[in-house]
Amino acid sequence: DGGITQSPKYLFRKEGQNVTLSCEQNLNHDAMYWYRQDPGQGLRLIYYSQIVNDFQKGDIAEGYSVSREKKESFPLTVTSAQKNPTAFYLCASSATGGNGYTFGSGTRLTVV
Amino acid sequence: GENVEQHPSTLSVQEGDSAVIKCTYSDSASNYFPWYKQELGKGPQLIIDIRSNVGEKKDQRIAVTLNKTAKHFSLHITETQPEDSAVYFCAVDSGGGADGLTFGKGTHLIIQP
Repeated sequence: DGGITQSPKYLFRKEGQNVTLSCEQNLNHDAMYWYRQDPGQGLRLIYYSQIVNDFQKGDIAEGYSVSREKKESFPLTVTSAQKNPTAFYLCASSATGGNGYTFGSGTRLTVV
Repeated sequence: GENVEQHPSTLSVQEGDSAVIKCTYSDSASNYFPWYKQELGKGPQLIIDIRSNVGEKKDQRIAVTLNKTAKHFSLHITETQPEDSAVYFCAVDSGGGADGLTFGKGTHLIIQP
């Protein structure tokens, strides 16, 4: 079955540590997105990518980095520069010219 | 940029009654309006969407209406059931989806037995 897989489901980060969240899709979608979800804040866009080897900052990109070396993969690194990383992170993808998004099941990141 | 307001933030209805959630947007060029349902600990799932050339769309117990003049659209759920309890998000695409959908802040729908 086609879909998006996010891993891990739960992730714990120590102060000053970088962590990477995985997002893989087999839907042959060109566009991929990363959102952050906090209680009462809705979904806020971190980074997005329309094609391989190209990506753009969203509304809250500071403290995050991404890469898009393959069409299927769009990993998100939460760096030590992100001072409040505890949140639920969602990856999504969409087809070129299409508007409907398919979301992954999310990764819950907690700072310990 | 696009601004999306969603109301109410929490909605409690009796099982079997109807629920209505409303969103307003600011960019008159917006052309795509999806609704997502998110259950606890899961990613959002698309439940219905509408494009700017259509005023209403229905799928069994759920429907979406769009008023382009007033720049608002609404989700209607009839004959609510316990499994309808979830957080619902509206979203707006202002032009080709190049920078992603803009989401409302969500409505927590509670179905009272």
